[in-house]
This record gives sequence, structure tokens and C-alpha cells, in this order.
Amino acid sequence: GDSVTQMEGPVTLSEEAFLTINCTYTATGYPSLFWYVQYPGEGLQLLLKATKADDKGSNKGFEATYRKETTSFHLEKGSVQVSDSAVYFCALSDAFGGGGADGLTFGKGTHLIIQP
Amino acid sequence: DADVTQTPRNRITKTGKRIMLECSQTKGHDRMYWYRQDPGLGLRLIYYSFDVKDINKGEISDGYSVSRQAQAKFSLSLESAIPNQTALYFCATSDLGPGRETQYFGPGTRLLVL
Repeated sequence: GDSVTQMEGPVTLSEEAFLTINCTYTATGYPSLFWYVQYPGEGLQLLLKATKADDKGSNKGFEATYRKETTSFHLEKGSVQVSDSAVYFCALSDAFGGGGADGLTFGKGTHLIIQP
Repeated sequence: DADVTQTPRNRITKTGKRIMLECSQTKGHDRMYWYRQDPGLGLRLIYYSFDVKDINKGEISDGYSVSRQAQAKFSLSLESAIPNQTALYFCATSDLGPGRETQYFGPGTRLLVL
């Protein structure tokens, strides 16, 4: 079945540091890939997405490139802020690839802590 | 107003009790989903619905049931709650048209089963 693996946290960085959160996936079809963010006490918000190989999703200074050859979708940001502290989830949707049930397959989440 | 709302936001119940979590959406989406979130496990799919007449089990449906009362409403029931159903529950929606693979989440319901 489909699966998503992302680096475990917590990841602690200083403000203005460079961020990378690794995400790799396995899927039977041609999935769409997502990064969702969960701020403390809130639900999940879509951060960015990519629907096909070599697509780059970007939002709020975050970027991720869909790499089919390495089955990866790593999240990057050049200079993090304290307000970026949250839990980040990598996810895939393979609903149209014949891979099985509809719905998103999530990684376990990476807790990011940015210190001033 | 929020596009996807969940009620209640917090609930404490006792083992063996029946409870219902409700989800409403104003996005006009046909597809709706229920997930649970457990620390260190991410989110896992419980049930999903493509329309009022189409209900499907997800990865972890045992101990849960759902009802799609209307396009805009999708309820999750725990017939006889047990402590390991203590979790954060999320409802989500998605469209049928372009961009249909993107899901939009409610704020969550935190459930504690004693």
C-alpha cells in the first residue's frame, strides 16, 4: 500500500536558519503530493502541493519539488521565523491511480520549533 | 465564517457511551472524510463519502459508523466508546472538479474516553 515517511522531530532551529524537512513516499499510481501545516490548537492547513513530477509547490517562502526519480518531496525554507513553529505533515493522494481507498495518506508529522 | 466546522470541539465521555461528532461544510464539496490523529502516528482515515448515497470504509473503521445526512453534513459515531478511541478527530472535504485531490480540514474535535 501507499506510505509516506518523513523525518521525525522535534526539529529545533534558530530564527533565520535554513530549513529542510525530508519526505519520501511509496505509491502504486501517480500520486499528488502535499505539505500540510498544523499550528498549535488548530486544524490542518494546506501549505503547498504538486500534482506531477518536477512540479514545484511554493507558499509563504516554503518550497517543495516533486522528484519522481527519488520518490521525494522535501520541504525547504531559506529563512525560518518563530511564527513557522508548527507540526508539518507530508501527504499523498493516490485516489486516481488505482492504489486503493480515497483519502490522503499522511506521514507521522514533524514538529518544528524555531527559537528567537 | 469557517468553511468546515466541527462540533463539539472538545468532548469527555465514559467507556461504553455512544457519542456523535458532527461536521458541516459550506464549500459545496461532494466528498467528505473523517480522520483521527494520534501523537506520533499522523492522521489515519476512518470513513469517506463521495455523496449522500456513497459511504466507504477507510483504514481504521472498526468501532465507528458514519451518516451522510446531506451533501453538507457528515457525522461520525462511536457506538460504544473505548479509551483507545481517545484522539483528535478531523473532518475534511474535497471537490470533484479540478484540484479535487486537495482536502480542506475542519478545526478538529478532541475526544477523551475515560
